[in-house]
Amino acid sequence: EPEVTQTPSHQVTQMGQEVILRCVPISNHLYFYWYRQILGQKVEFLVSFYNNEISEKSEIFDDQFSVERPDGSNFTLKIRSTKLEDSAMYFCASSPGRVVPETQYFGPGTRLLVL
Amino acid sequence: AQSVSQHNHHVILSEAASLELGCNYSYGGTVNLFWYVQYPGQHLQLLLKYFSGDPLVKGIKGFEAEFIKSKFSFNLRKPSVQWSDTAEYFCAVTLNAGNNRKLIWGLGTSLAVNP
Repeated sequence: EPEVTQTPSHQVTQMGQEVILRCVPISNHLYFYWYRQILGQKVEFLVSFYNNEISEKSEIFDDQFSVERPDGSNFTLKIRSTKLEDSAMYFCASSPGRVVPETQYFGPGTRLLVL
Repeated sequence: AQSVSQHNHHVILSEAASLELGCNYSYGGTVNLFWYVQYPGQHLQLLLKYFSGDPLVKGIKGFEAEFIKSKFSFNLRKPSVQWSDTAEYFCAVTLNAGNNRKLIWGLGTSLAVNP
């Protein structure tokens, strides 16, 4: 069964550094998402992406964040200058994108630690 | 703002016990409801969902949930749990408005089943 994959599984970075989190969505899916979960808190929506542009973004998704689909398979989340409070588990998800509502399929997550 | 509440944060049961995990949402309009499960070391996966129709929905592994609109609830049930049901359970909703796809999450319930 096709799965969403994410790399790396863990990333440690210094405050102020740029990080890129990578995701490979399910191949025939058209909608892509990023969510994050700070330890002990709820999973929060960051952004959705469709047809090479942002479809919706949350208040969290400020100018420090960007998303890109650099090729036909990868979907990336870039944090330009990391802050301590960016430490979280970041989940990528994808969905077929043909109807609303529909199921989102999640990757295993990237645990980001900002020191 | 719209939100999802899960009443039980940590549940410990013995095998064969019955399970009910509470989920309530706050939104006056129509919602789509999901239960996701995350087994230890694995990614989030869909347990069951409700979009419309019969408010009693059956999911994988013997789980079911009932949507009670008047109570804004979507409680998850299983008549007899197994050790392999040890996992984190998340309730989530999307608002049935236009092309809205953003999942709004509960805090999650950690279930431990003792053999």
